[in-house]
Amino acid sequence: DAMVIQNPRYQVTQFGKPVTLSCSQTLNHNVMYWYQQKSSQAPKLLFHYYDKDFNNEADTPDNFQSRRPNTSFCFLDIRSPGLGDAAMYLCATSRDLTTGNQPQHFGDGTRLSIL
Amino acid sequence: DAKTTQPPSMDCAEGRAANLPCNHSTISGNEYVYWYRQIHSQGPQYIIHGLKNNETNEMASLIITEDRKSSTLILPHATLRDTAVYYCIVRVRDYYSGGGADGLTFGKGTHLIIQP
Repeated sequence: DAMVIQNPRYQVTQFGKPVTLSCSQTLNHNVMYWYQQKSSQAPKLLFHYYDKDFNNEADTPDNFQSRRPNTSFCFLDIRSPGLGDAAMYLCATSRDLTTGNQPQHFGDGTRLSIL
Repeated sequence: DAKTTQPPSMDCAEGRAANLPCNHSTISGNEYVYWYRQIHSQGPQYIIHGLKNNETNEMASLIITEDRKSSTLILPHATLRDTAVYYCIVRVRDYYSGGGADGLTFGKGTHLIIQP
């Protein structure tokens, strides 16, 4: 019954080697988000898509990119991962943007390790 | 920055009610209070939210003070599986009136430990 699915749960990559994390949803929600959560810290928003419109947070590094080819899928691309990018990456969805009366639904995250 | 203040940790005995406080003294009239929790190695889970009235669902109750400057999340009969970090978050009611920011801004949360 998982509604927001992230694969893989664990990803290992080498320093500087591009990596892509994926997220899919069965809720048909218009908005998809990516958060970064470093060890012992709270999740921090990187960016979100409203339909095909991409919205980047001001302090998200250029090293992080995202793609949303259709409603169900969203990808997080890290072009040249550094050691500081080791973290849990969380995908979330919400039905729409127009009201705050809608919860976000999270996946269980992908834990990224950098060698 | 998060607009909420929560105690860093709390203990509660299994079977008792867990009462988690949150201070949001700068909340504005167009902001909801949301509660999420995060069990170790899982994504945050939505619990409940409210604007000014008290709310109850199958998981918890949310009590919001009349001046809306603080709230309490109540888990009526805590179990060991309720051990988690609980986040209290204020969220703008309307995306466009809130300046377009739509993500959740998490604070440090409260680490609730349910003791057997």
